[in-house]
Amino acid sequence: AQSVTQPDARVTVSEGASLQLRCKYSYSGTPYLFWYVQYPRQGLQLLLKYYSGDPVVQGVNGFEAEFSKSNSSFHLRKASVHWSDSAVYFCVLSATNSAGNKLTFGIGTRVLVRP
Amino acid sequence: GPKVLQIPSHQIIDMGQMVTLNCDPVSNHLYFYWYKQILGQQMEFLVNFYNGKVMEKSKLFKDQFSVERPDGSYFTLKIQPTALEDSAVYFCASSSQGARAETLYFGSGTRLTVL
Repeated sequence: AQSVTQPDARVTVSEGASLQLRCKYSYSGTPYLFWYVQYPRQGLQLLLKYYSGDPVVQGVNGFEAEFSKSNSSFHLRKASVHWSDSAVYFCVLSATNSAGNKLTFGIGTRVLVRP
Repeated sequence: GPKVLQIPSHQIIDMGQMVTLNCDPVSNHLYFYWYKQILGQQMEFLVNFYNGKVMEKSKLFKDQFSVERPDGSYFTLKIQPTALEDSAVYFCASSSQGARAETLYFGSGTRLTVL
């Protein structure tokens, strides 16, 4: 069985500060990992994904994430946040599935950026 | 970017009645999904659907649940009869392929309240 843990339910940061959101996964196979973001009253949108190669992946809007196999982690970070980054961020794992994609979600981290 | 529309955004219904949740997926996508998120809990996979058939369903996909997409119209989730524990936000998603690295496009959810 697989699981995703996001230990921080809420994070508050000031505009211009850096942001790191933590994600740990549990999966015995090769993980395919994603970060999705949900802005208010919108659907989830992909920020970035990783499944092979350079463990640091770049995403949209200045976000990046680093995969660590030894730590079973896939932390998301941004160097300088903007008020528009206020949203809920989901770490997501795709496990082996022969019948189409099936995702395992973390519970999400709600980010509030203070002006 | 591509949009998935979910109709309605909110639905309140009496226990035992039937409800149909509608999803307008991204045009030309072939894979469709429903996920369920109970308040305060993780989003969980319900079912995926391809080529007119359910490919895989989770234990949350009870016998009272059914999905269909007749003739390229809405992708629907029907619950008949509803139960109190069906109260949740239901997210529809679609993708062009079913591979593990594929990006899913999500709607903003339908909040279902069963009284």
